[in-house]
Amino acid sequence: GNSVTQMEGPVTLSEEAFLTINCTYTATGYPSLFWYVQYPGEGLQLLLKATKADDKGSNKGFEATYRKETTSFHLEKGSVQVSDSAVYFCALRGYSSASKIIFGSGTRLSIRP
Amino acid sequence: EAGVAQSPRYKIIEKRQSVAFWCNPISGHATLYWYQQILGQGPKLLIQFQNNGVVDDSQLPKDRFSAERLKGVDSTLKIQPAKLEDSAVYLCASSSVGQVEAEAFFGQGTRLTVV
Repeated sequence: GNSVTQMEGPVTLSEEAFLTINCTYTATGYPSLFWYVQYPGEGLQLLLKATKADDKGSNKGFEATYRKETTSFHLEKGSVQVSDSAVYFCALRGYSSASKIIFGSGTRLSIRP
Repeated sequence: EAGVAQSPRYKIIEKRQSVAFWCNPISGHATLYWYQQILGQGPKLLIQFQNNGVVDDSQLPKDRFSAERLKGVDSTLKIQPAKLEDSAVYLCASSSVGQVEAEAFFGQGTRLTVV
């Protein structure tokens, strides 16, 4: 079945550092890929998505590229801020519109000033 | 646009008691999901509805959990009887149907503590 494997956390960085959170997946066909973020005390919200190979999703300075050849969707940001401290979840939806959305285990990110 | 509404936000019950959660999805969203998120883990799908019908309930512990979605809109998730390991945040989400790329929109969740 489909699955998502995410980089273990927690990750602690200094402000303005470069961020990479790794995500790899197993799926048949061409799934849609998502990054969700959960800020402290808030609900899950979509950060970005990509729906076909080589697509790049971007939002709030974050980027992730759908790599079919390596089955990866790594999240990157060039210069993190304290306000980026949150838990980040990689997720996928199978190639059918009725497919469920499967989440990774989450990576807690803490940014120190 | 109003988001996904859930209630209650918090619930504390004793083991073997029953509890129910309510969800109102975004207007027009035919697909509704219930997820269980245990502390430190990613959300795990319990059940997925499309309109009134169940699409996937393979991970729903059917001996104690039940869910319904009447008239294809609101949904309730019930646990009876609760166990200690049911302590978690229960998330409701909705998405539009017919689009593989459609993301799910989440409610704030209900934090359940079973003591």
